[in-house]
Amino acid sequence: DAGVIQSPRHEVTEMGQEVTLRCKPISGHDYLFWYRQTMMRGLELLIYFNNNVPIDDSGMPEDRFSAKMPNASFSTLKIQPSEPRDSAVYFCASSPGGGRSKTEAFFGQGTRLTVV
Amino acid sequence: TQLLEQSPQFLSIQEGENLTVYCNSSSVFSSLQWYRQEPGEGPVLLVTVVTGGEVKKLKRLTFQFGDARKDSSLHITAAQTGDTGLYLCAGGTSYGKLTFGQGTILTVHP
Repeated sequence: DAGVIQSPRHEVTEMGQEVTLRCKPISGHDYLFWYRQTMMRGLELLIYFNNNVPIDDSGMPEDRFSAKMPNASFSTLKIQPSEPRDSAVYFCASSPGGGRSKTEAFFGQGTRLTVV
Repeated sequence: TQLLEQSPQFLSIQEGENLTVYCNSSSVFSSLQWYRQEPGEGPVLLVTVVTGGEVKKLKRLTFQFGDARKDSSLHITAAQTGDTGLYLCAGGTSYGKLTFGQGTILTVHP
């Protein structure tokens, strides 16, 4: 398996523009997570899905952020409109789930977002 | 909200020294994981511990899960420059949620 695949690797956009980040999880993994990493706040959980259903979106900063998982092999995180404070590295991760020893996450390489 | 606090935030040591990183929470977790992250990459899993009091060894790294399953430690013996990186602990729940600590930036000098 190629691992978790995220695109794009880098995104530079102007304030107010819509940004869409994409993720392909590892085949067979039941859980998908979106995290945001900054120096100040570390790795924050934004939202996670189980079998394509959003389970906990309490980490989503505000209504400008939305995430979807239309099928088991694809998820998107959208920011509309984007703001400079959204600049961060966004990680997607997937996990097989199914028990205490199987919550370990496999991460993509991340998308570095810069909003100017 | 389940929070994990790691200490220290920064650690700068000489090659050959030993070190310990701590991960503490007021919440009980069903599993505790340690990850290592290098610049420009995502975190990579090092180990998972699931039983209170459990100790796991990975070469020079020793991981311990607290008896109450609320805390953990990572001990590195005879650190090497290749150990440099960001070390993250993460708590897992029975319903799949994974919460990370702030991380410890380790720098090992030759």
